[in-house]
Amino acid sequence: KAGVTQTPRYLIKTRGQQVTLSCSPISGHRSVSWYQQTPGQGLQFLFEYFSETQRNKGNFPGRFSGRQFSNSRSEMNVSTLELGDSALYLCASSWEGFQETQYFGPGTRLLVL
Amino acid sequence: DQQVKQNSPSLSVQEGRISILNCDYTNSMFDYFLWYKKYPAEGPTFLISISSIKDKNEDGRFTVFLNKSAKHLSLHIVPSQPGDSAVYFCAASASGGSTLGRLYFGRGTQLTVWP
Repeated sequence: KAGVTQTPRYLIKTRGQQVTLSCSPISGHRSVSWYQQTPGQGLQFLFEYFSETQRNKGNFPGRFSGRQFSNSRSEMNVSTLELGDSALYLCASSWEGFQETQYFGPGTRLLVL
Repeated sequence: DQQVKQNSPSLSVQEGRISILNCDYTNSMFDYFLWYKKYPAEGPTFLISISSIKDKNEDGRFTVFLNKSAKHLSLHIVPSQPGDSAVYFCAASASGGSTLGRLYFGRGTQLTVWP
């Protein structure tokens, strides 16, 4: 069974631009969660989608948004990029999204210049 | 507010010995706990989990212990191998409501296993 895939793996953007990251979950998983990892803040929860609906959102500004498609694939978008958005963005998938293991993709490394 | 804490940023162990990584949590609603292993610039890899109805779970060289009254869990790796060198994250989840799909992570412990 294929694991969670994320594209692109690396991205360089400049301040003010926007970026879209993609995540394909494990086949059959309907819950997709997104996390941001930075050296200073560790792994921070961004949001979670289940059956195309956002069920939960972390404490991030509205510049961070996401969506999920009918095939459970998910995208996250960051508008008006800031230097502090440089991070490793991870998505994870699971069957239902609670009391179970989340499986992570390899991440997208975003560098904002 | 860090609800999951790993107070030891690093641990160094000799090959063949036991590695014990510790984790504390503050939220009594947490009912499922996980350990992940992570290499730089890669996604976390799931190692082992435990439900709050259990106090121990084993998988090969990895054993997780849960002490609910102390809100403490630990990961034991026996015997430790050089390939175990990585950052280990403790994570927790709670059922329902605003916690859906969300894992709460500790800051991680860098384990180094030397020959």
